Amino acid sequence: AQSVAQPEDQVNVAEGNPLTVKCTYSVSGNPYLFWYVQYPNRGLQFLLKYITGDNLVKGSYGFEAEFNKSQTSFHLKKPSALVSDSALYFCAVRADPSGNTGKLIFGQGTTLQVKP
Amino acid sequence: GAGVSQSPSNKVTEKGKDVELRCDPISGHTALYWYRQSLGQGLEFLIYFQGNSAPDKSGLPSDRFSAERTGGSVSTLTIQRTQQEDSAVYLCASSRPSGGARSETQYFGPGTRLLVL
Repeated sequence: AQSVAQPEDQVNVAEGNPLTVKCTYSVSGNPYLFWYVQYPNRGLQFLLKYITGDNLVKGSYGFEAEFNKSQTSFHLKKPSALVSDSALYFCAVRADPSGNTGKLIFGQGTTLQVKP
Repeated sequence: GAGVSQSPSNKVTEKGKDVELRCDPISGHTALYWYRQSLGQGLEFLIYFQGNSAPDKSGLPSDRFSAERTGGSVSTLTIQRTQQEDSAVYLCASSRPSGGARSETQYFGPGTRLLVL
């Protein structure tokens, strides 16, 4: 069965420092991977996705993620964190690659806290 | 352009009552998804529509839950005889068709926060 793990409930970084939010996955076949961000009382906002091609994917708000097939990881990164990046981050994988539905399986979420 | 909209934004109901939650997808998006977000279970898939058909209902937790979509646009999620464990945020997402090798981005609405007393 497809699954996603976000091993850290919370990540704390100082403003201006690089940040990493970790995600590992388990799928059969080629993974389709996504990152979303959720601000309080808001829906999920799409950040970036990996379908195929370059392992380094660039997305919105200066975020990027690196797909690593051998380590089955898709960690989210940003070179310099902003206080406004503080939010809840979700990693997701498509449940059935090449199937008839694009439904997503989400990790449990990681709260990112950026301190001034 | 307009995003996914959901109504109501908040709903408080009494145990045993029926509720209807509405989702208006992005214009032209034929794929529509319902998810539920709760503290204990995280984000869970409920149902997927392609057009007016629902080829994947595997996430509906019980027969008290149903959903329909009309005109390939608006969708309604209905919960009958609500229970306290139904309290959650219900999120709707839409995308262009995502079948086969395509994996279109899903765009989410703001959600409906349901509280069952």
